[in-house]
Amino acid sequence: EVQLVESGGDLVKPGRSLRLSCTGSGFTFGVYAMTWIRQAPGKGLEWVGFIRHKAYGGTAEYAASVKGRFTISRDDAKSVAYLQMNSVKIEDTAVYFCCREDGGDCDYWGQGTLVTVSS
Amino acid sequence: QLVLTQSPSASASLGASVNLTCTLSSGHSSYAIAWHQQQPDKGPRFLMKLKTDGSHNKGDGVPDRFSGSSSGAERYLTISSLQSEDEADYYCQAWGTDIRVFGGGTRLTVL
Repeated sequence: EVQLVESGGDLVKPGRSLRLSCTGSGFTFGVYAMTWIRQAPGKGLEWVGFIRHKAYGGTAEYAASVKGRFTISRDDAKSVAYLQMNSVKIEDTAVYFCCREDGGDCDYWGQGTLVTVSS
Repeated sequence: QLVLTQSPSASASLGASVNLTCTLSSGHSSYAIAWHQQQPDKGPRFLMKLKTDGSHNKGDGVPDRFSGSSSGAERYLTISSLQSEDEADYYCQAWGTDIRVFGGGTRLTVL
């Protein structure tokens, strides 16, 4: 059974950093791209970024709203994808989801982890 | 620019059918999309990948009541024999080489 579990969400002050993890199981993690999506309170889904699998260079792409502040990485040996969030802003407050990609679309989702940015 | 447009809300009666629409922006009518369901206070769930020709591949355990179709830049999700648990937010998703996009979502109310 494919499972994705996000962790690392917390209350963080503006300007600080936080790292989220997405741990996969039940599939060969290293052959899939992984995506991060967020959902602000009462709002819709917003794509944050994704990381390609190693066969496609393992490079990442980001939404304009987080580019330069957030970094996605992966450790295939541990079946984990990371979202490093630096210089966080109030507007980064959201539930953060990860998903497994199947050629661009998310075919499995995690349950999410809450990040609250507040002073 | 790849943009997906969805109506904010829809409603239909228990046992009836409903069509939800996702419209691709100009120049992107050949794109496949995915449909996702988000029930209240839950994470999203993949429903199906829907191609330009209307063919679709559904996710694990998605009931036969859910189907998809396409016409030009429009992508449709049809839910038949509506049940109370179908009351949820429905999002479409599209993708390009270096971008992923979600529609604004449609909140479906089952009357």
